[in-house]
Amino acid sequence: QVQLVQSGAEVKKPGASARLSCKASGETFRNNAMHWVRQAPGQGLEWMGWINGGNGNTWNSEKFEGRISITRDTSASTVYLDLYSLRIEDTAVYFCARGFTVVQPAALGYWGQGTLVTVSS
Amino acid sequence: EIVLTQSPVTLSLSPGERATLSCRASQSVNSNYLAWYQQKPGQAPRLLIYGASSRATGIPDRFSGSGSGTDFTLTISRLEPEDFAVYYCQQYRGSPYTFGQGTKLEIK
Repeated sequence: QVQLVQSGAEVKKPGASARLSCKASGETFRNNAMHWVRQAPGQGLEWMGWINGGNGNTWNSEKFEGRISITRDTSASTVYLDLYSLRIEDTAVYFCARGFTVVQPAALGYWGQGTLVTVSS
Repeated sequence: EIVLTQSPVTLSLSPGERATLSCRASQSVNSNYLAWYQQKPGQAPRLLIYGASSRATGIPDRFSGSGSGTDFTLTISRLEPEDFAVYYCQQYRGSPYTFGQGTKLEIK
C-alpha cells in the first residue's frame, strides 16, 4: 500500500524560502516519478514539476523556473520541494503525488495529504 | 502550453442520473496522456481514469472515460451520493502537465 506523508503547515513572510517534504512508504519510489501540484484557496490544481525517483532528473514548469527545486533522498524515501522568494500568491496547499505506474508516470495515482503554505507579511 | 477547458463549470443532477463531463484541449493530446480526477472538499484528488479510458485501481465501473485528439469525456452512468464532487481533467502529453479548471458536480 503506497502512502505519502507530507510535512506540516508553514507560515512564511514574503521573500522567504520553505522546504516541504513528502515521505513515501509501502513501495520504493526509485522506479516512479514524484510530482508536486499546488492548489490556491478555492482554485484549481496547478502542476509544478516532477523528479525521476531513480536517476534524480527533474522537469519543472517554466512558470516556476528559478523559484523551485525538487530533490530526493532515496535512503529516506523522501522527496523535497524547495520554494524560494515566496510571494503572497504562493499561498496554497501543496500536494506531492506519485506516478501511477512506470508506464504512466504522469498520471497521478497516489497523493499526499497536502501541506498548507501561507505567505503573509 | 496545452490549455484544457472543461464544461460545464457546474452540473446539477440527482442521484441515479447520468453525468457527462467534457474536457477540450487547445491542441491534440495523445489519448494515452489524458487523466481524470475527483476531488472532495478538504481532500487530495483521486485518480479515476488514465490513458483517456482506463480505470484506476478500485474505481467503480460506473465511471468511464472516452475521447481522443482534443475532445474527451468522463461519464458517470448512475450517480451515487458520494460522486458529488469536483472533477478535473489533466493532460500529460507535454510539459507543463496542465489541468482543466474543474467541473463541480452538485446535487440538484
